Amino acid sequence: NAGVTQTPKFRVLKTGQSMTLLCAQDMNHEYMYWYRQDPGMGLRLIHYSVGEGTTAKGEVPDGYNVSRLKKQNFLLGLESAAPSQTSVYFCASSHEQGRAEAFFGQGTRLTVV
Amino acid sequence: DAKTTQPPSMDCAEGRAANLPCNHSTISGNEYVYWYRQIHSQGPQYIIHGLKNNETNEMASLIITEDRKSSTLILPHATLRDTAVYYCIVRGFNTGTASKLTFGTGTRLQVTL
Repeated sequence: NAGVTQTPKFRVLKTGQSMTLLCAQDMNHEYMYWYRQDPGMGLRLIHYSVGEGTTAKGEVPDGYNVSRLKKQNFLLGLESAAPSQTSVYFCASSHEQGRAEAFFGQGTRLTVV
Repeated sequence: DAKTTQPPSMDCAEGRAANLPCNHSTISGNEYVYWYRQIHSQGPQYIIHGLKNNETNEMASLIITEDRKSSTLILPHATLRDTAVYYCIVRGFNTGTASKLTFGTGTRLQVTL
């Protein structure tokens, strides 16, 4: 099993450009999450989803949109990238039975210039 | 979810036990204590979790005080590969809602020869 796969792994954007980060999991997990991690800081929750077709805001949702059209995929969109969105983005998924552990992808390193 | 407090950094000699403390004085009855670690810039990795009893798995042991206001993660024989940032997270569960993982800044454990 691949677990949680994020694409792309690296990306450089110009200010104002848009892009979509893809997260795919093959564990049939209900819950999926998007986090960002800035240098020297912990992970901050951007958006999350409790199931196909549902999304909810996390701690730092501004400037991002998400969609969960298929259970296995969770997309994070930046409509108009800003330098403040330069960060490493992590996706995670976990079972509906929330006491289960969350599995993380290897991250997407995004630089906005 | 309850807030946690961890020391910013710790050192441990290889082969010795690493004891990482965490304070969570505002923890409530239905909240679990989770530990994750992040090696270099990889995605966080689940280690262990517990409610009120001590727990042990192949990676570590978790000791939770009787009043549940603090806990200690124990790596019994630390190796250089255990050098990482360790996150203590308190996570609550409500039926039908996502159990969000809220990360702090963690403890940076440096294992030395």
